[in-house]
Amino acid sequence: KNEVEQSPQNLTAQEGEFITINCSYSVGISALHWLQQHPGGGIVSLFMLSSGKKKHGRLIATINIQEKHSSLHITASHPRDSAVYICAVMSGNTPLVFGKGTRLSVIA
Amino acid sequence: DAGVTQSPTHLIKTRGQQVTLRCSPISGHKSVSWYQQVLGQGPQFIFQYYEKEERGRGNFPDRFSARQFPNYSSELNVNALLLGDSALYLCASSWMTGPKTQYFGPGTRLLVL
Repeated sequence: KNEVEQSPQNLTAQEGEFITINCSYSVGISALHWLQQHPGGGIVSLFMLSSGKKKHGRLIATINIQEKHSSLHITASHPRDSAVYICAVMSGNTPLVFGKGTRLSVIA
Repeated sequence: DAGVTQSPTHLIKTRGQQVTLRCSPISGHKSVSWYQQVLGQGPQFIFQYYEKEERGRGNFPDRFSARQFPNYSSELNVNALLLGDSALYLCASSWMTGPKTQYFGPGTRLLVL
C-alpha cells in the first residue's frame, strides 16, 4: 500500500508570502491529486498531475516521478487560502490514498 | 450543472443504530466513491462503484455496505453503529474509474453517541 506523507502538518504565513507544501509517497503512481478542504468539510480538487508542472492562477503544482515527490506552491498568499491541503495518490486503478493534510493559516 | 450532492448534511445516531447516507453524482458521471474522514486525518477509501457494480472495497468491516442505482446515485449503509464511526463521510464522482479527476460532495457529518 502506498504511504503518503505531507509536510509541514501546520503552516502559518503572513499575507503575501510564498508558500510551499510537500508530499512524498512510497510506491510508483499513475496520478497525484492536490485537494483543498475548507472548515465546512467540502473538498475541492485543485490539480491532478502525473508529470511535470501545472499552474492555475496563484497555485502551482509540480511532481518529480523519480523522487516520488510533489509540491504545491501558493504565490502571493491571501487569508482566503486558509484551508487544509491534502495530497492523494493513485496507482493504476487502485483507490486514492490520502495524506493527512497540511493546515494552512494565512494572516492578514 | 449541479455538483455532487449528499444527504443528509448532519446526522446524530446512537450506538447500535443503522444509518443510510445518500449521494447523487454529477450528471454523466458513472463512478461513485465513498470515503470516511475521521477528525484530524485524511480520508480513507470505503467503496467504489462503477456502472452499478462494486469495483473496490477498502479495509472496513462488513457493517459497511453500499449500492449504486440505475441513475448512478449511491447509498452507503452502516449497521450496528459504533462510537468510532463518527466521521465525515464523503462521496466523490468521476466519469469513469482510473486516474480521473474526482469531484467531491460536501459530505455528511455523522455523530454516534
